[in-house]
Amino acid sequence: AQKVTQAQTEISVVEKEDVTLDCVYETRDTTYYLFWYKQPPSGELVFLIRRNSFDEQNEISGRYSWNFQKSTSSFNFTITASQVVDSAVYFCALKGSNFGNEKLTFGTGTRLTIIP
Amino acid sequence: GAVVSQHPSRVICKSGTSVKIECRSLDFQATTMFWYRQFPKQSLMLMATSNEGSKATYEQGVEKDKFLINHASLTLSTLTVTSAHPEDSSFYICSAREQGNYNEQFFGPGTRLTVL
Repeated sequence: AQKVTQAQTEISVVEKEDVTLDCVYETRDTTYYLFWYKQPPSGELVFLIRRNSFDEQNEISGRYSWNFQKSTSSFNFTITASQVVDSAVYFCALKGSNFGNEKLTFGTGTRLTIIP
Repeated sequence: GAVVSQHPSRVICKSGTSVKIECRSLDFQATTMFWYRQFPKQSLMLMATSNEGSKATYEQGVEKDKFLINHASLTLSTLTVTSAHPEDSSFYICSAREQGNYNEQFFGPGTRLTVL
């Protein structure tokens, strides 16, 4: 069974502060994919990143960075110099790579509020 | 590329009526489409997986006769909420997987259903 835990339900930070969103996962698959999505108030899911379990390199994209630690089954997401537009609900998700196992398992989400 | 649309974006109906939601892949062929439901301030929960030309696979606890899914073509899947009741009010999101690409799902913008 797959499980994704986002322990932080809500986070509020002042604009320009850095913030890290935690994600811990459980899976029995030897290979799998991890995702982060942003869901602004409009409701549409915005894809942020996909990470293959074989690739443990951290990734940076502008103000966003991701820290994948296979040893601790974590895939944390950091926003540097936060902006008001970053306010949204962020979901971490997991998918096994085996054919026929296409289910995306979502965490419960972290509601991020950036205070101007 | 990889755009998924949903129609309608918002629907309000009376209790007891049926509502059809369409999910279309606009620029790719989607052999598999997924239907999710999201209650306010909660995560996305997979309802069912539909493969083109075959019956949908429903998740445990999802009533097949209440949530009718049809995936008659490679670009269109429909979800019909039959005899809708207020407890069916939710945000319904579809996603589509491109033929041959097992590791990525493209999400639609969602449909907000309100049953009075």
